[in-house]
Amino acid sequence: EAGVTQFPSHSVIEKGQTVTLRCDPISGHDNLYWYRRVMGKEIKFLLHFVKESKQDESGMPNNRFLAERTGGTYSTLKVQPAELEDSGVYFCASSQETSGSVQETQYFGPGTRLLVL
Amino acid sequence: QKEVEQDPGPLSVPEGAIVSLNCTYSNSAFQYFMWYRQYSRKGPELLMYTYSSGNKEDGRFTAQVDKSSKYISLFIRDSQPSDSATYLCAMSDGFQKLVFGTGTRLLVSP
Repeated sequence: EAGVTQFPSHSVIEKGQTVTLRCDPISGHDNLYWYRRVMGKEIKFLLHFVKESKQDESGMPNNRFLAERTGGTYSTLKVQPAELEDSGVYFCASSQETSGSVQETQYFGPGTRLLVL
Repeated sequence: QKEVEQDPGPLSVPEGAIVSLNCTYSNSAFQYFMWYRQYSRKGPELLMYTYSSGNKEDGRFTAQVDKSSKYISLFIRDSQPSDSATYLCAMSDGFQKLVFGTGTRLLVSP
């Protein structure tokens, strides 16, 4: 079974440009998460999709970040316009259906390394 | 103050040593506690998952949770060079959002 995949693996862009990251979750997983690790800091939650709906977007830093999950399959995270502080590693994770307040195991992708110059 | 504190290391040990990795946390709502292992340029991989207080053992790995002290540990017995990685503690209140520590880099020398 294929794991969580992310594309691209690396992206180097200039400040002010737009970048779109893609995540393909494990097949059949309803839940999809985006996390980010800024250099020297901990991995931080950005948002959580259940199928195509945003369940929790409390970690999104500002309105330059737009996440979508059309059709409840893959997800994209767009940063527009990118700023220097957006540099970091963006991880996607997925899990099966949520069961009330039971924590489901999240499976992580390899991450997209974003560098904004 | 961070919700989860974890010593970044690096922690260097010889092969065969017992390794102890720890995290403390401040949010008493956390009920689920996880340890992830991350190799360089890879994503975090779940090692251990524990609900509430207590111990859990899986092969060479033992996870301990002490909710009264807000302290969790991961022990690795008979450490191997292949255990060299960054170990991340993560926790949640059950509503899926994971809160991570910064990770501890472990180096096991042959």
